[in-house]
Amino acid sequence: NAGVTQTPKFRILKIGQSMTLQCAQDMNHNYMYWYRQDPGMGLKLIYYSVGAGITDKGEVPNGYNVSRSTTEDFPLRLELAAPSQTSVYFCASSGTDKSSYNEQFFGPGTRLTVL
Amino acid sequence: AQSVSQHNHHVILSEAASLELGCNYSYGGTVNLFWYVQYPGQHLQLLLKYFSGDPLVKGIKGFEAEFIKSKFSFNLRKPSVQWSDTAEYFCAVSSGGYQKVTFGTGTKLQVIP
Repeated sequence: NAGVTQTPKFRILKIGQSMTLQCAQDMNHNYMYWYRQDPGMGLKLIYYSVGAGITDKGEVPNGYNVSRSTTEDFPLRLELAAPSQTSVYFCASSGTDKSSYNEQFFGPGTRLTVL
Repeated sequence: AQSVSQHNHHVILSEAASLELGCNYSYGGTVNLFWYVQYPGQHLQLLLKYFSGDPLVKGIKGFEAEFIKSKFSFNLRKPSVQWSDTAEYFCAVSSGGYQKVTFGTGTKLQVIP
């Protein structure tokens, strides 16, 4: 199993550009999440999904959009990038198996800089 | 909304010293508790978790944590740290049946050889 994969690993955007951060998991997990990590701030939940076709906002959704057309994929879209979106973005997933209930598995992250 | 507090933001220890990182949460009901570790330049990995049963939980690499319900705490401990334990440590909590997890702000541990 590859687990949770994310692409790209690094990206530099200009203000106002848009991009999509890709996330995929091969563990057949229903739940998927997008977080951003800023120094000293921990992880902030951007969006999450409880299954294909179902998404909802987290703590910091402004400036982002998501979709979940399949169980495996959960892309994060940035529209009109702003310097405040400079961060490291982590995708995670979790399943309903009782042995790992609520345990989140993380991808390697995408480091995004907006200039 | 539940919250998680990690009071130590940056801890510096010498090798072989004992470690205890504090974690307190706000939710009063049934909780699932986690400690994750993030080595430099890497993603978060699970160290240990508590769902139910024995409040003393043992994880990987010699780490353990104790759930004290009366104190809303889940402190992480290791009797003797190594240089390779240099990392950032995150406490996290989820409540009820919903899979949303709230993370603390993290504690950076630096172990000096």
